[in-house]
Amino acid sequence: GAGVSQSPRYKVAKRGQDVALRCDPISGHVSLFWYQQALGQGPEFLTYFQNEAQLDKSGLPSDRFFAERPEGSVSTLKIQRTQQEDSAVYLCASSLGRGPAGYTFGSGTRLTVV
Amino acid sequence: GIQVEQSPPDLILQEGANSTLRCNFSDSVNNLQWFHQNPWGQLINLFYIPSGTKQNGRLSATTVATERYSLLYISSSQTTDSGVYFCAVANTDKLIFGTGTRLQVFP
Repeated sequence: GAGVSQSPRYKVAKRGQDVALRCDPISGHVSLFWYQQALGQGPEFLTYFQNEAQLDKSGLPSDRFFAERPEGSVSTLKIQRTQQEDSAVYLCASSLGRGPAGYTFGSGTRLTVV
Repeated sequence: GIQVEQSPPDLILQEGANSTLRCNFSDSVNNLQWFHQNPWGQLINLFYIPSGTKQNGRLSATTVATERYSLLYISSSQTTDSGVYFCAVANTDKLIFGTGTRLQVFP
């Protein structure tokens, strides 16, 4: 596609519910990143894939967060047993090369946990 | 990890004014990008500029890597320039974002 596509655009979850957020990167982009942006803050790194390999997951805040990219294209970020502090915008970005040069971001998924 | 500081935190301009946004970072980097986040939350990549100077229309940016800072210049500002401007840097695989400069341009 022409850009990075994320779905859903908005998600409201009840506390304790599991959610799955999807990212379709730009076709052919090797690198894929997930970021979390709390209200009024800059995006914070969660995890990084190079093709299907998850090379860095140091930013995942707890073991309730899990990300995968099984075929090296579409990625899913899953949050189990959601809590109120998980409320944020989740941004996906992709890059043609290895590492973060020239990121393109998607529009994000706004998650609200009630 | 790398620290990224942006200034000013908030900026209010009248349409047509010029402005300079600054980004200081605490370590050597191999990537620096400026982003504009519009009021709908979309992050738009403005410049990939780990060093040197680039210009794109009314916007230009300069990074002095040896002194660990970057500047974003906005000339003849328009109301559509409103939003938050982020500087982000990396020396590994991940971008580290600053806290942003919130710009409001009034007609």
